[in-house]
Amino acid sequence: EAQVTQNPRYLITVTGKKLTVTCSQNMNHEYMSWYRQDPGLGLRQIYYSMNVEVTDKGDVPEGYKVSRKEKRNFPLILESPSPNQTSLYFCASSLAPSYNEQFFGPGTRLTVL
Amino acid sequence: QKEVEQNSGPLSVPEGAIASLNCTYSDRGSQSFFWYRQYSGKSPELIMSIYSNGDKEDGRFTAQLNKASQYVSLLIRDSQPSDSATYLCAVNIRGSSNTGKLIFGQGTTLQVKP
Repeated sequence: EAQVTQNPRYLITVTGKKLTVTCSQNMNHEYMSWYRQDPGLGLRQIYYSMNVEVTDKGDVPEGYKVSRKEKRNFPLILESPSPNQTSLYFCASSLAPSYNEQFFGPGTRLTVL
Repeated sequence: QKEVEQNSGPLSVPEGAIASLNCTYSDRGSQSFFWYRQYSGKSPELIMSIYSNGDKEDGRFTAQLNKASQYVSLLIRDSQPSDSATYLCAVNIRGSSNTGKLIFGQGTTLQVKP
């Protein structure tokens, strides 16, 4: 089944404790992206990747890191989480950024205390 | 001006009515437009894509695009309670990038009342 998977689905952590949210897709997609979704602010792009070893900042990259060492994986790293990073996070992938449907993962609800 | 704007609603329609959802965008060079549906607590799922001016129909859904007015809409005919969700408009904004990126509106919440 073609899908984007994320883990964990739910996470409660404390300020400053490094964490990684994994994202994997099995569709051989070139493009992958991370979004956060907050009430009243909609979906905002954090980082995106055009291909292996090619990543770039989205609209709200501060406090986040990403890597793309393999085509299928695009982990999101919070080196020192803070309460303002409490949010719902979605990973998405597509064949290309412009003309193709983005497939979304199930989401990760993160709470930073 | 926001790059992609939607009325947050809620838009309330009776079952069986036509629901009309609207979206405006700022980048005249945009070429691709998408409507996603998102149920509460779930991930967005694509319901329509449109690339040329005019109407595109798929079942009960019709997407309408007017590039001159920078306007894209989604019509849902014979609305059902199961259509109650938030509808996200997404536009590829080219800006200074050759590839562009997908910008989402804030979403319109639709409530279909039985």
